[in-house]
Amino acid sequence: KNEVEQSPQNLTAQEGEFITINCSYSVGISALHWLQQHPGGGIVSLFMLSSGKKKHGRLIATINIQEKHSSLHITASHPRDSAVYICAVRVDSNYQLIWGAGTKLIIKP
Amino acid sequence: EPEVTQTPSHQVTQMGQEVILRCVPISNHLYFYWYRQILGQKVEFLVSFYNNEISEKSEIFDDQFSVERPDGSNFTLKIRSTKLEDSAMYFCASSELAYQYFGPGTRLLVL
Repeated sequence: KNEVEQSPQNLTAQEGEFITINCSYSVGISALHWLQQHPGGGIVSLFMLSSGKKKHGRLIATINIQEKHSSLHITASHPRDSAVYICAVRVDSNYQLIWGAGTKLIIKP
Repeated sequence: EPEVTQTPSHQVTQMGQEVILRCVPISNHLYFYWYRQILGQKVEFLVSFYNNEISEKSEIFDDQFSVERPDGSNFTLKIRSTKLEDSAMYFCASSELAYQYFGPGTRLLVL
């Protein structure tokens, strides 16, 4: 049973499009992370959320604790946004992160 | 900006050999983690470390794995007798509290 589910698995869009990636989880969490993984493999933390909404540049992350759902939005997408976006949750009382399978995003010029 | 570093970036080893993967966490961080990602699969938690001891470990982290903070800066993952299925990217992370910073990873290939 997957505790963290992401959709879609793959997403291809044109430059400039508004992108939404979704994450649903089934466990109680203390925080949710959105991370970016580039083709070389390196992982960068984008956001850590426990409630509401956060914005950084063209990236927006929202979370609905009651519905156990989070979304990552990218406005005015650009080819350099092409990467795998991963949702990971920190379970109540634990330090470890439980990871989703990732959404592979390709932005075409 | 401070960053987590890992060495080596790539390692190739023979099955049955011991490997040590090294990480230098961010200097004022208190929590340290190892994750692995088998090619094409999701990232998996291995172990977390706080106050010089393991705070959590996953089912993957069996007796062939060990972690150590041999001095004030390094954090190591040792795999005692490598198996083919240990081939993966290994990521180290550190945090002051909840927000984790990741190293660039070590790609381990076991032949």
